[in-house]
Amino acid sequence: GQSLEQPSEVTAVEGAIVQINCTYQTSGFYGLSWYQQHDGGAPTFLSYNALDGLEETGRFSSFLSRSDSYGYLLLQELQMKDSASYFCAVIKAAGNKLTFGGGTRVLVKP
Amino acid sequence: NAGVTQTPKFQVLKTGQSMTLQCAQDMNHEYMSWYRQDPGMGLRLIHYSVGAGITDQGEVPNGYNVSRSTTEDFPLRLLSAAPSQTSVYFCASRFSRGREETQYFGPGTRLLVL
Repeated sequence: GQSLEQPSEVTAVEGAIVQINCTYQTSGFYGLSWYQQHDGGAPTFLSYNALDGLEETGRFSSFLSRSDSYGYLLLQELQMKDSASYFCAVIKAAGNKLTFGGGTRVLVKP
Repeated sequence: NAGVTQTPKFQVLKTGQSMTLQCAQDMNHEYMSWYRQDPGMGLRLIHYSVGAGITDQGEVPNGYNVSRSTTEDFPLRLLSAAPSQTSVYFCASRFSRGREETQYFGPGTRLLVL
């Protein structure tokens, strides 16, 4: 089987930094993706890590450690519009399907 | 480019009725998937396709059929609707090559089965 674990909810204030962890247990591993979803909307792609290390895209960064079966999404300089759910998703093999975690709800307060 | 389009946006069905959810993409992506999302939950994979003529089951395939006759279209059929199928359905189209991986979601279809 396989499982992905992420915290269910995180609360932070505007301007703060939030780290959302994702640990996975899969029979194979190819890469880890992150998606953002606002209430009532569709998920949107944020980042993808196939290799160990940090990928930076503006205020958001994503990290992967294959040896630790662990990754995280870092949200910097939090803004109110960052209030959303964030999902990690694992790809087990090239071209294979994505399996999503249960999501982390981020609430940004003024 | 329209990206990924889904129709209808909303649908109400009676138990036992059948229907087809339409999905189309104009990005020439090989990979397409159908997910369902229940309130406050994550995305669960129903069926996916790695190319025209090739489909496979996901985590929750029972009660659903798919076909992929063209690269662009990937319809999802509900054979005999049940209240447990009340959910939001997302179609997704995916680019996957080497270290590049991006999945685009359609706007979703909100389905209520009475």
